[in-house]
Amino acid sequence: DIQMTQSPSSVFASVGDRVTITCRASQDISTWLVWYHQKPGKAPKLLIYAASSLQSGVPSRFSGSGSGTDFTLTISSLQPEDFATYYCQQANSFPYTFGQGTKLEIK
Amino acid sequence: QVQLQQSGPGLVKPSQTLSLTCAISGDSVSSNSVAWNWIRQSPSRGLEWLGRTYYRSKWYNDYAVSVKSRITINPDTSKNQFSLQFNSVTPEDTAVYYCARAGPKGRAFDIWGQGTMVTVSS
Repeated sequence: DIQMTQSPSSVFASVGDRVTITCRASQDISTWLVWYHQKPGKAPKLLIYAASSLQSGVPSRFSGSGSGTDFTLTISSLQPEDFATYYCQQANSFPYTFGQGTKLEIK
Repeated sequence: QVQLQQSGPGLVKPSQTLSLTCAISGDSVSSNSVAWNWIRQSPSRGLEWLGRTYYRSKWYNDYAVSVKSRITINPDTSKNQFSLQFNSVTPEDTAVYYCARAGPKGRAFDIWGQGTMVTVSS
């Protein structure tokens, strides 16, 4: 199975900050990388697919980049509703696997 | 607007079968461009993809190797829904179970059910 490793595990930030989360795959996944965020008690919500494509309805402050094994999710200016846990997921091969999550918390 | 509505028990006894259903509105279980998935989430395992069913002129299934011997995912075209059956459960199968659609964009899970907390306990 492809292992997905996110860093950091948690990050403290303030409204208006720029935040970057990193995801590394244990093997080449091209651009088959997806980003979600999840709030307590809710299902994950799709943000970015194919490494850098913004899902319809997701604010443009979210962006993704990378290919191969190294990927980043950037939030350009944090809003209060962005404090959540962020997950990456590889969609290159089965079984699809997720990172362990990055918890974004208010400083 | 596509929505998924999950139903099923929240408590299952060890060694018994966990059964959940995911009703689809706004899309068809027989769609040729999407796949219908089950995913679970627990503190110990994180998010774990379990399997999927999809239609491409005929029905296909894929399952995670870790659960393949115990899992069945079936479509129900008459009710436009799909189901999960998970046999011989143990307390380690305690988790929140989600159904999700893998849409046509980037194989991503773009629509999720509300989640069902399933506890395996006697």
